[in-house]
Amino acid sequence: QKEVEQNSGPLSVPEGAIASLNCTYSDRGSQSFFWYRQYSGKSPELIMFIYSNGDKEDGRFTAQLNKASQYVSLLIRDSQPSDSATYLCAAITRQRLYKLSFGAGTTVTVRA
Amino acid sequence: DGGITQSPKYLFRKEGQNVTLSCEQNLNHDAMYWYRQDPGQGLRLIYYSQIVNDFQKGDIAEGYSVSREKKESFPLTVTSAQKNPTAFYLCAVARQGSSYEQYFGPGTRLTVT
Repeated sequence: QKEVEQNSGPLSVPEGAIASLNCTYSDRGSQSFFWYRQYSGKSPELIMFIYSNGDKEDGRFTAQLNKASQYVSLLIRDSQPSDSATYLCAAITRQRLYKLSFGAGTTVTVRA
Repeated sequence: DGGITQSPKYLFRKEGQNVTLSCEQNLNHDAMYWYRQDPGQGLRLIYYSQIVNDFQKGDIAEGYSVSREKKESFPLTVTSAQKNPTAFYLCAVARQGSSYEQYFGPGTRLTVT
């Protein structure tokens, strides 16, 4: 079983809609979770991280963490064509604080 | 990635040649990492270093070597023993702290023919 799993997509949403991305993890010791955005041909860019249960908002992005169910999600409100990218979910555990485990990524396309 | 530089951006080599990829940072972060990304796949950890003169193997270290002689620099050598070296190579850095978030450099795209 992979440590971090994501819906592979692709996810297509109309401009202005909410894009919802999901990620599950297998290690209950995971303590911090990260969302990266990667445009085609570019390196990943950190957009949010979360370590407490509940919601964390930053502009149009909201990360949600549910440790009991072992999932973390990312909502993108008012989606724009510039949000079209691959979104990578990653997790870190207490035992391996320096090692991020990445999901394979979800590709999002925002239709104008 | 403002404080992380990787060079060159594109690199072409013949099969059987060793090649060294550069990663430099001016963020004063302790930890540095090398990842490999293949088309349509996630990131796989090659090596990481938490302090100068120390480094650990990641999940796919075979055919690679690293050094960490300075805090600012963590070069990766792709040796001829690496069977499928063509990939996008990403360097990342992280500071010690409560979140351990990693920041990536712009990457080097290596093509071996």
